[in-house]
Amino acid sequence: GAGVSQSPSNKVTEKGKDVELRCDPISGHTALYWYRQSLGQGLEFLIYFQGNSAPDKSGLPSDRFSAERTGGSVSTLTIQRTQQEDSAVYLCASSLGGPGPEAFFGQGTRLTVV
Amino acid sequence: SQQGEEDPQALSIQEGENATMNCSYKTSINNLQWYRQNSGRGLVHLILIRSNEREKHSGRLRVTLDTSKKSSSLLITASRAADTASYFCARKEYGNKLVFGAGTILRVKS
Repeated sequence: GAGVSQSPSNKVTEKGKDVELRCDPISGHTALYWYRQSLGQGLEFLIYFQGNSAPDKSGLPSDRFSAERTGGSVSTLTIQRTQQEDSAVYLCASSLGGPGPEAFFGQGTRLTVV
Repeated sequence: SQQGEEDPQALSIQEGENATMNCSYKTSINNLQWYRQNSGRGLVHLILIRSNEREKHSGRLRVTLDTSKKSSSLLITASRAADTASYFCARKEYGNKLVFGAGTILRVKS
């Protein structure tokens, strides 16, 4: 596609439910990043993929968070048993592989846990 | 914290003035990038400086990098009201991890 696409754009869920957030990167981009941004705060690194593998999962806040990427393309971030502190905007970005290129961001998914 | 340090946290200037934002980090880097985020969610890449570069220009933007001090600065010259946004530095670590700082909120008053 023309840009990074994230869905849904907004999600309201009840505490304790599971949610799945989806990211469609730019075609051909091998690197994919997930971040979390709370209101007025910076971007908290969660995880990144190089192809289908995740070299660094150190940012995942707890074992309720998991992510996968299939076919070197679409990625899904899953949050199990959501808590109110999970409420934030979840941002996805992709870039060409290698050390140089800049990242292109999607518009994010705003998650609200009530 | 995984994030770098950015200062100031917030900056308010008059249109036409220059704005300078600073970023510090602790790890080795491959390159350092600056992004802008308008109210809303998506971030837009502004400029990238490699670890072997010291200064780079793009339009009204000037970025410097001092790897000995592990710091970078972004200068926006002749600011405009439309420059009002949050600005983030991001370090590209070896292994391609991209880590963002806490950001600077810039307000340009017309």
